[in-house]
Amino acid sequence: DVKVTQSSRYLVKRTGEKVFLECVQDMDHENMFWYRQDPGLGLRLIYFSYDVKMKEKGDIPEGYSVSREKKERFSLILESASTNQTSMYLCASSLWGTSTYEQYFGPGTRLTVT
Amino acid sequence: AQSVAQPEDQVNVAEGNPLTVKCTYSVSGNPYLFWYVQYPNRGLQFLLKYITGDNLVKGSYGFEAEFNKSQTSFNLKKPSALVSDSALYFCAVREDTGTASKLTFGTGTRLQVTL
Repeated sequence: DVKVTQSSRYLVKRTGEKVFLECVQDMDHENMFWYRQDPGLGLRLIYFSYDVKMKEKGDIPEGYSVSREKKERFSLILESASTNQTSMYLCASSLWGTSTYEQYFGPGTRLTVT
Repeated sequence: AQSVAQPEDQVNVAEGNPLTVKCTYSVSGNPYLFWYVQYPNRGLQFLLKYITGDNLVKGSYGFEAEFNKSQTSFNLKKPSALVSDSALYFCAVREDTGTASKLTFGTGTRLQVTL
């Protein structure tokens, strides 16, 4: 089975702190994604990566950056956390292809910024 | 841009009754559509997908989805609901950017199945 793991289930940080969220997948997937999930808004794509060191902005990249130094690992960085970044963060990975395309999700990190 | 809409925030069904969770889509070209489920305190799990072919797609846990091109809908169905089906359901559409494929999700529908 594909496994996507995230470094923390719950995280509490203070406003202005630099925050790292880590995601690791074990299936050699090319694509990795970071979403945030908010009630009533569904999942919104923050950034995605299609290869090592390659990244593209999603729909809501402001206030975030990402890093992908190894194929299996994709990090989301909040340079200076703000209270409006309190949310559930979900990482996902997938193969690059057509009919086999599915995204596999990690369990999520619930981040609270106070 | 591709998009999907889930018009119902919540659907309530009695156990044993059929259930339908609605989704409409807006795409240019052929649609690639997905349903995911999120159980409490869990990540999303893939249920089923429509790529091409039969308009009725079968998936996990007894769920199926009906693709209707004329109504631009992709509704999730199950003939007999279980209490354990209570969860948050998301419809999604695939969009190719040229470098990768990404999914755009709907806002989610909470399914509540009661005894």
